[in-house]
Amino acid sequence: GAVVSQHPSRVICKSGTSVKIECRSLDFQATTMFWYRQFPKQSLMLMATSNEGSKATYEQGVEKDKFLINHASLTLSTLTVTSAHPEDSSFYICSAEDRGYGYTFGSGTRLTVV
Amino acid sequence: KNQVEQSPQSLIILEGKNCTLQCNYTVSPFSNLRWYKQDTGRGPVSLTIMTFSENTKSNGRYTATLDADTKQSSLHITASQLSDSASYICVVSGARSYIPTFGRGTSLIVHP
Repeated sequence: GAVVSQHPSRVICKSGTSVKIECRSLDFQATTMFWYRQFPKQSLMLMATSNEGSKATYEQGVEKDKFLINHASLTLSTLTVTSAHPEDSSFYICSAEDRGYGYTFGSGTRLTVV
Repeated sequence: KNQVEQSPQSLIILEGKNCTLQCNYTVSPFSNLRWYKQDTGRGPVSLTIMTFSENTKSNGRYTATLDADTKQSSLHITASQLSDSASYICVVSGARSYIPTFGRGTSLIVHP
């Protein structure tokens, strides 16, 4: 089946620093990837849609300068949380669609900003 | 507005018992419906995917049903195990948008 690799799985950073999260489709090409944020005991919230070779589409209320998305190839999308603050601490998950298997999710990244 | 409603919000059952989770949606026109299992601190894992013409699909002890006329789906778990404790998420995709609509999930706890 389709596999989406996401790393790091956990990261702790100091307030004010930037953190990059990678999402790779391992055995298929993904022209579109999605980035989600999830707070404890809440459902996934779509942050942005990442399109290969073009600018990402951000959901309302998501700061594009805060959450930088780059989709430079058909197998890699990155999310960079810039100038992180404690309120950015959350669980970030990416997903990509393989037409044979539907949406496949990465294993998630637990970000803690101290 | 497209919506996906799941019930119950949470459920506690004893190991070995069966349970059924519900998903009602308003997404139209409909493309497909997926059930995912999400363990705490992990990404969701696909259990089943059904299109308009499919009424039921099984994956081991998990059986999903779909009634596209009433826009309802259920996920039945047979002979529950402790490892079934997780959040179960219903995701519906429409035919006109590649962005799916997520339900809030049902939190299932299986006690020994």
